[in-house]
This record gives sequence, structure tokens and C-alpha cells, in this order.
Amino acid sequence: GAGVSQSPRYKVAKRGQDVALRCDPISGHVSLFWYQQALGQGPEFLTYFQNEAQLDKSGLPSDRFFAERPEGSVSTLKIQRTQQEDSAVYLCAAWSLGGANTGELFFGEGSRLTVL
Amino acid sequence: RKEVEQDPGPFNVPEGATVAFNCTYSNSASQSFFWYRQDCRKEPKLLMSVYSSGNEDGRFTAQLNRASQYISLLIRDSKLSDSATYLCVVNKGDDMRFGAGTRLTVKP
Repeated sequence: GAGVSQSPRYKVAKRGQDVALRCDPISGHVSLFWYQQALGQGPEFLTYFQNEAQLDKSGLPSDRFFAERPEGSVSTLKIQRTQQEDSAVYLCAAWSLGGANTGELFFGEGSRLTVL
Repeated sequence: RKEVEQDPGPFNVPEGATVAFNCTYSNSASQSFFWYRQDCRKEPKLLMSVYSSGNEDGRFTAQLNRASQYISLLIRDSKLSDSATYLCVVNKGDDMRFGAGTRLTVKP
């Protein structure tokens, strides 16, 4: 998706384990979003960054979820003490300056998390 | 209540059929509107923007009614390749909120 890379693509975690999911947008992607997509559902908003500033984290489902983007480029979504209900695809998306006008979010391929 | 609500689907239609999807949004401050398409196990991709005057892109027509907070997508002469999930998306200025999606299957 236009240079947005996510890793790992697949992650299996045991319940209670901590996981970290990485998103690497290309240079110039000012705004970065994280979404959670459960099977058969649309992407649910988690959090949003503009450069390094986390402007909205209202979608994070609990305090076990934490996201950061310390240098305004790579972002990490961390989930502590994973639960089975955290199983989903975690999508990272970005747009460059002016992207809000076009509405074209570029998505990574997602990180599929399965919690056993 | 979710910010963006869509027809639950699924829609199963024959090739050549016309199919319409509807979407409502709850936040009157929403500024711009879009339809995205998502293929199975793939990431969502922008299909088209939605303007108040209505806009068309080939077989696809999108319409916005701000007064009713309602968005629609019409697909004419549907093709097998149109089979996908269609996501209604609303932008409040600095974030993008997605509907749950409507799954379309076009059959021969």
C-alpha cells in the first residue's frame, strides 16, 4: 500500500503475553492511524498521530493498548497481557499533507494477531 | 450508536444487476465522505469520494445528503470483479471513521 509496511504480518501469542506491532510509513506521511479489524467487521479506529503527536487515542479499547511514534515516522502499537478478544488484524494507515482533502489513506497489509 | 452505520448485507446479485448500498453517519460536523473497497484478506483501498452534488465514476455513482446525514453508492451493470466489501468512510477533519462494511457477491 504505497510504501506503508507493517510487521510482523502474522503473530500468534499466548494469552497474557505482550506483543508489539510495527508500522513503517514512507517519508512524508504526516498522519498515521491505527485500526483494529475483527473478522467480518470494518476497521475500528484505535488512535491517530500527526507527526509525533498522538492527537486522538479515544479508540484504544483498554489501558493494555499503547501506541507511540517518537520521531514522527515509525509507529509501534503495543498490547500488554493479550486476551483472546484482542485477536484481529491491526491495520496501519497513513496519508501525506493534503491527504485529508483527497481522503486517500494508504494502508499497510496489516498484522494478523491470534491470541490462544 | 456507531458513528457510521451501513446496510449489513450480504448482497448476492447476478452479473449485470444494479445494486445500491446505504450509509448513515451520526456526527453532523463530518466534513468529507468516501467509499472504500476491501477484498478478502486485503487492505482497504479508496474507491471514490462522495460529493453533495453526486459524482459518477464509470459504473459507480456516489451521493451525499447532508441534511439526512446519508451516503449512498450505486453500482450499475455489476461484474464478477465487483465482489468485495464496500466500506463507508467519514472524515471529521483529522480522523477517518469506517463503517462495518457491506459484502457484495456478484454471481455468474
